[in-house]
Amino acid sequence: QKEVEQNSGPLSVPEGAIASLNCTYSDRGSQSFFWYRQYSGKSPELIMFIYSNGDKEDGRFTAQLNKASQYVSLLIRDSQPSDSATYLCAVDEATDSWGKFQFGAGTQVVVTP
Amino acid sequence: SQTIHQWPATLVQPVGSPLSLECTVEGTSNPNLYWYRQAAGRGLQLLFYSVGIGQISSEVPQNLSASRPQDRQFILSSKKLLLSDSGFYLCAWTIGTGASPLHFGNGTRLTVT
Repeated sequence: QKEVEQNSGPLSVPEGAIASLNCTYSDRGSQSFFWYRQYSGKSPELIMFIYSNGDKEDGRFTAQLNKASQYVSLLIRDSQPSDSATYLCAVDEATDSWGKFQFGAGTQVVVTP
Repeated sequence: SQTIHQWPATLVQPVGSPLSLECTVEGTSNPNLYWYRQAAGRGLQLLFYSVGIGQISSEVPQNLSASRPQDRQFILSSKKLLLSDSGFYLCAWTIGTGASPLHFGNGTRLTVT
């Protein structure tokens, strides 16, 4: 059973601080990793993707990937109340030649003013 | 640019009634198409996926079925709804292999009464 694990939270973060979210995955062959943000009652929206080991920065977001340890993380710098949402980690299933993904259950982030 | 349309946005149906949810993608050809369900407070469950017209794969035995009558149209159906079919249904698309991220429609909130 391929799994993607996330802490459910809630992760409470003061406004202006850094939010750190972690995700571990079981499929060692996975190559593509995605972070989605989902506001309550809305559909997930893509915020970051990463394919290579190391860090990838996009604005206030940084994704970090360590394939040897099978984890991917997301850092949100200068957290704002609008960052309050559930963050979903998604990982491709390496055994198929087309796109198939496993999702974590998500981490709820609450940014407090 | 590509867009995905999903309707209706909300639906309240009695137990035993039929269901038809529709999704269309614009601006791309031969997308991979997906139906996910998200129960309240839960992660995303893949229901069906399709790599081409008439090609449907089911992930979980369900009271549901899917069809792809045209390249960019994906339909989720049921002959008789159960209470357990309530949830947030999401259509998504991607191109090619797992290197491309999923893009979600706005979702349909289904309540079976």
